[in-house]
Amino acid sequence: DIQMTQSPSTLSASVRDRITITCRASQSISNWLAWYQQKPGKAPKLLIYKASSLESGVPSRFSGSGSGTEFTLTISSLQPDDFATYYCQYYYNYLVAFGHGTKVEIK
Amino acid sequence: QLQLQESGPGLVKPSETLSLTCTVSGGSISSSSFYWGWIRRPPGKGLEWIANIYYSGSTSYNPSLKSPVTISVDTSRNQFSLKLTSVTAADTAVYYCARFSRAYSYGFDYWGQGSLVTVSS
Repeated sequence: DIQMTQSPSTLSASVRDRITITCRASQSISNWLAWYQQKPGKAPKLLIYKASSLESGVPSRFSGSGSGTEFTLTISSLQPDDFATYYCQYYYNYLVAFGHGTKVEIK
Repeated sequence: QLQLQESGPGLVKPSETLSLTCTVSGGSISSSSFYWGWIRRPPGKGLEWIANIYYSGSTSYNPSLKSPVTISVDTSRNQFSLKLTSVTAADTAVYYCARFSRAYSYGFDYWGQGSLVTVSS
């Protein structure tokens, strides 16, 4: 099994801060990585796919980068609506797995 | 607009079978571009992928799951279903059904609203 390590588990930040969340895979997954945002009581929302492609309708302050084993999600200027939990998700050899999540909270 | 809706009992007794159905509307479950999947989120924990199915019936499962799992599809009803047998309290979670793009994003792009299932006597 591929192990996915997401960090940090919690991140305290202020509005307009630039933040970065990282996911590391135990072996190469090419660019088959997606990022999601989840708010309490809601279903997750796809933000980024294939490591760096922005899903339609997602604000451009969200960006993704990386390939192989290391990936990052960056929010360039945190907005009040962005305080939520973020997950990475990989797809490899017909299997899917999520990272453990990063809760972004207000400092 | 594609919509997915989970349905099933909200309370299941330990050792019994948890059954959920996802009804897809606004699009065909028989599209060659997508898998259809189940994901859950236990209280206080993160997302856990359970299984995917293709309209032809091909399946993939999370090898880490402890409870036996079966995913199935009914193309005539535009539905797919999940069964977990011999459930325990650890299977208490919000269960989501979702569409997985196998030919484009390799992510879950449409989700149901979620269905809370509690395992308790």
